[in-house]
Amino acid sequence: AQSVTQPDIHITVSEGASLELRCNYSYGATPYLFWYVQSPGQGLQLLLKYFSGDTLVQGIKGFEAEFKRSQSSFNLRKPSVHWSDAAEYFCAVGHPSKLTFGTGTRLQVTL
Amino acid sequence: DAGVIQSPRHEVTEMGQEVTLRCKPISGHNSLFWYRQTMMRGLELLIYFNNNVPIDDSGMPEDRFSAKMPNASFSTLKIQPSEPRDSAVYFCASSPQVNTEAFFGQGTRLTVV
Repeated sequence: AQSVTQPDIHITVSEGASLELRCNYSYGATPYLFWYVQSPGQGLQLLLKYFSGDTLVQGIKGFEAEFKRSQSSFNLRKPSVHWSDAAEYFCAVGHPSKLTFGTGTRLQVTL
Repeated sequence: DAGVIQSPRHEVTEMGQEVTLRCKPISGHNSLFWYRQTMMRGLELLIYFNNNVPIDDSGMPEDRFSAKMPNASFSTLKIQPSEPRDSAVYFCASSPQVNTEAFFGQGTRLTVV
């Protein structure tokens, strides 16, 4: 069975600092991997996706993620966080028809 | 494109009443998904359609829940009768094909009192 673990429930960073959100997955084949962001009262917006090819994936809003098969990880990074990045971030694995989400990491940004 | 459109955005109803949530997917998308988000269980896939046909409804919690997709531009999720434990945010999502990324609507926050 596929699963996703986001070990950090809540992270606080200062504006301008770098960010890394962790995601570990379990999947029987080459996974499809996604990061979504959810602002309060809003839906989920796709930040980036990995299907195949280059393991470093660039997304919107300056985010990137690196697929590491050996570590079953797909961590999300941003070199300099902006206050508007405060939101909840979800990692997901699988096809959209069978998408498994992690429990989310809530990012707080201090000024 | 306007994205996935869900209505209503908020719904408050009394226990026992019928509730219907509506979704208009992105034009041209062949797959549609209904998710439920709660604090306890996170995001769960309830059902998905491909080319208007229900493919997998194994996530539908019980017979009180039903979903339809009468055409490519409209889907409904109905709960009858509703119960307080159905209170959640329900998301509709669509994708161009079943094996590509899903685009989510803004959700319907359902409160059953």
